[in-house]
This record gives sequence, structure tokens and C-alpha cells, in this order.
Amino acid sequence: DVKVTQSSRYLVKRTGEKVFLECVQDMDHENMFWYRQDPGLGLRLIYFSYDVKMKEKGDIPEGYSVSREKKERFSLILESASTNQTSMYLCASTEGGLWNTEAFFGQGTRLTVV
Amino acid sequence: AQKITQTQPGMFVQEKEAVTLDCTYDTSDQSYGLFWYKQPSSGEMIFLIYQGSYDEQNATEGRYSLNFQKARKSANLVISASQLGDSAMYFCAMRGDNNAGNMLTFGGGTRLMVKP
Repeated sequence: DVKVTQSSRYLVKRTGEKVFLECVQDMDHENMFWYRQDPGLGLRLIYFSYDVKMKEKGDIPEGYSVSREKKERFSLILESASTNQTSMYLCASTEGGLWNTEAFFGQGTRLTVV
Repeated sequence: AQKITQTQPGMFVQEKEAVTLDCTYDTSDQSYGLFWYKQPSSGEMIFLIYQGSYDEQNATEGRYSLNFQKARKSANLVISASQLGDSAMYFCAMRGDNNAGNMLTFGGGTRLMVKP
């Protein structure tokens, strides 16, 4: 059973804290993505990675960074959490070089910054 | 650049009736794929159906079918015989052949509510 696993379902953090969201996939996928989901806005791409140590900015990278040291793990980092980063965060992975295959998603992390 | 538009923020449907969820897209890619995902209240994203830009026939998966009209750039999801368990958010998405990582671009979603 293929899996994308996010480290936490729910997180509550204080303003100014450094926050790490971890994502691990066991499908040997090249591509990994971090999305943010807000009501009425759908899923917006924060960052993605198409190889180890490679990263590309998505549509809303400000306030975030990422790390991909191993193929199976993609971390999203909030350097200094702010209340406007309260949201649902979804990690996804896809096979490399193929545009006609679906993405597999983690269960989501609902982050609240107080 | 890719763009997906879902114009129905919320919809009601009577149980056992069919419902169509609208999706229009814009892309400059020659080859692309269109996807529909379901997100129940639990939050996970469930892949429902895929349509390739060169597929001549509309995709079907059980009660789900995709009404693909390439000239109109639309990819509407049709759910037949709605069930209470179909109540969820539905997202239309696309991937193209001309961007690094072949990233998935999503629409804003439609919340479907099935009435008993």
C-alpha cells in the first residue's frame, strides 16, 4: 500500500517559532510538493522538488523554506511562524518525468499559529 | 502558466440524482492531464479520475465520468446516482508536459452536499 506520511495531523505553535513539517513517501517518487489549502482558494503550491537537494519556488513561497536531503523526505520549514500561516498543509508526491500520473497525498497537517 | 477555474463554491444534490461539477482550464502545454480529487471532511485527498488531453473518449470510473470538451477547455465531473458519502470537497487539477516537476495546479474547489 503506497503511502505519503506527514509527521503530524494537528500542530499548535506560537508566533515567532520555527516550525518543521515533515513528509515521507515510500514510492521512490522523484517529485515532491508542499501545498497550502485555505477555504475558497483551493490548494496553492508553496515549494516543490524534483530531485534530492533540488527545490523550486511555487506560487506562494514567502515565509517558507524547504529541505530535501533524501529522496523519500521533503521538509517544509516556517522560519518564524506568523498567524497568517495558520492553514492546512498538504504534501504530495508524483513519479518523475510523467505528467499523466496522479499525485499521492499525505493526510494533511492542520497548523494553528497563536 | 496553468490555471484551473471552478465556478461553483457549493452545490446541493438530492440523493440518487446525478450532479455535474464544472471545471475550466487554461494552459499553453501541448500535452496535459486533467484530474479530479475528492476531499472528505477527514482531509485526505482521494484521486477519482483522469483524462489525458489526447484521449478521444471521455474517462469513466464507476459512478464518475469526465465530460471533456477540449475546444471549450472544460473538464466537468459527472457523478451519477449520488450517495450521502459523496458529500465532500471536489478539486479539479491539471499537470502539463512543459514545466519542471510536472506540478499539479488546482482549482478553488466545489463543496458538494448530498441531501437525503
